[in-house]
Amino acid sequence: SQQGEEDPQALSIQEGENATMNCSYKTSINNLQWYRQNSGRGLVHLILIRSNEREKHSGRLRVTLDTSKKSSSLLITASRAADTASYFCATDAANQAGTALIFGKGTTLSVSS
Amino acid sequence: KAGVTQTPRYLIKTRGQQVTLSCSPISGHRSVSWYQQTPGQGLQFLFEYFSETQRNKGNFPGRFSGRQFSNSRSEMNVSTLELGDSALYLCASSRQGVEAGNTIYFGEGSWLTVV
Repeated sequence: SQQGEEDPQALSIQEGENATMNCSYKTSINNLQWYRQNSGRGLVHLILIRSNEREKHSGRLRVTLDTSKKSSSLLITASRAADTASYFCATDAANQAGTALIFGKGTTLSVSS
Repeated sequence: KAGVTQTPRYLIKTRGQQVTLSCSPISGHRSVSWYQQTPGQGLQFLFEYFSETQRNKGNFPGRFSGRQFSNSRSEMNVSTLELGDSALYLCASSRQGVEAGNTIYFGEGSWLTVV
């Protein structure tokens, strides 16, 4: 079952605009990671944010985490056509055997020029 | 520094056959995990290996198995292939695993098509 759920499922914007994707999760976490996946390719790690952090930046990316609302957001500023991809949040979730990354279904971002 | 390397990238198998996929983690990484990605189920955790031992396992049938070698390289095997096993299989590596709060790095994946 999915721990994280991204919203919206799909987002279409013009180059230069900002894109915001949201992720909600169900159980307590230690860390949350955001990934990008270009069509048919592997996952590229974007940012890891820990439960005691509220905001992190990396270039044009800004991630926030609100543990009280069990939600995170990924903001991409000044979008480019090359940002067209699917974006996933992944949380650490414990099962009876250990801990694994649990992914949401992702947000598909389309940036047109 | 080389990333996570997976081979083969693409393969086609017939129902009932078996398949072995290979993963070389980033140098120095001892944790290797495998994930299955399908349009219907999304990304699902298969299993994790650490220091040659399976440390965690997802909810997949016993036809899915794996192992890790002393150099941290890992293989996963799927026996008696079914059409529903068609998927992108992703390998991920990290120094100590998700539990340790590590960044988890993924490879490009192996596309398996079962016909």
